[in-house]
Amino acid sequence: EDQVTQSPEALRLQEGESSSLNCSYTVSGLRGLFWYRQDPGKGPEFLFTLYSAGEEKEKERLKATLTKKESFLHITAPKPEDSATYLCAVQAEDNNNDMRFGAGTRLTVKP
Amino acid sequence: SQTIHQWPATLVQPVGSPLSLECTVEGTSNPNLYWYRQAAGRGLQLLFYSVGIGQISSEVPQNLSASRPQDRQFILSSKKLLLSDSGFYLCAWSRGRRQPQHFGDGTRLSIL
Repeated sequence: EDQVTQSPEALRLQEGESSSLNCSYTVSGLRGLFWYRQDPGKGPEFLFTLYSAGEEKEKERLKATLTKKESFLHITAPKPEDSATYLCAVQAEDNNNDMRFGAGTRLTVKP
Repeated sequence: SQTIHQWPATLVQPVGSPLSLECTVEGTSNPNLYWYRQAAGRGLQLLFYSVGIGQISSEVPQNLSASRPQDRQFILSSKKLLLSDSGFYLCAWSRGRRQPQHFGDGTRLSIL
């Protein structure tokens, strides 16, 4: 069965303190891995799609990387406005429409 | 650009009452449409998805049903709500396989 595990569950950083969030996955053939940001009471906001091992995507202070077993979301010099829950999801080759989500990492950045 | 609308934003319903949540997408045609439920501290659970008008696939057998009466309209319904139906319901759309899903702002449903 496809599984997605995110760690840590929660992360508290000081402004400017860089760190990484982890998403480990088990799927029978990866079609795509997706990162989302979710603010309290809102729907997830799409950030990145990664399709193959070695691929990297960047957006402002965020950089997503992908290996055959896991993905990392690197946050460089975070600001308080980066505080949110970050969700990882995978889509498998043998599944037409299901996107399996992890439970998320709740990031808090203190000024 | 594409936008997705969900309403209402919050809803409080008594046990045993019916439910209708609506989702519409603008700016695209023939989207894939999805209904998810999100429990606190847990990942999103896919409830239903649709690849076209009148085509609904259910992922989890339960007290809920979905319908797609028009190309860009997706409705989540129940004839009789249970306490366990409480949660945060999210609608999403995508252009197809390998494409990201884009979410609405959700409906917070509380059952009393």
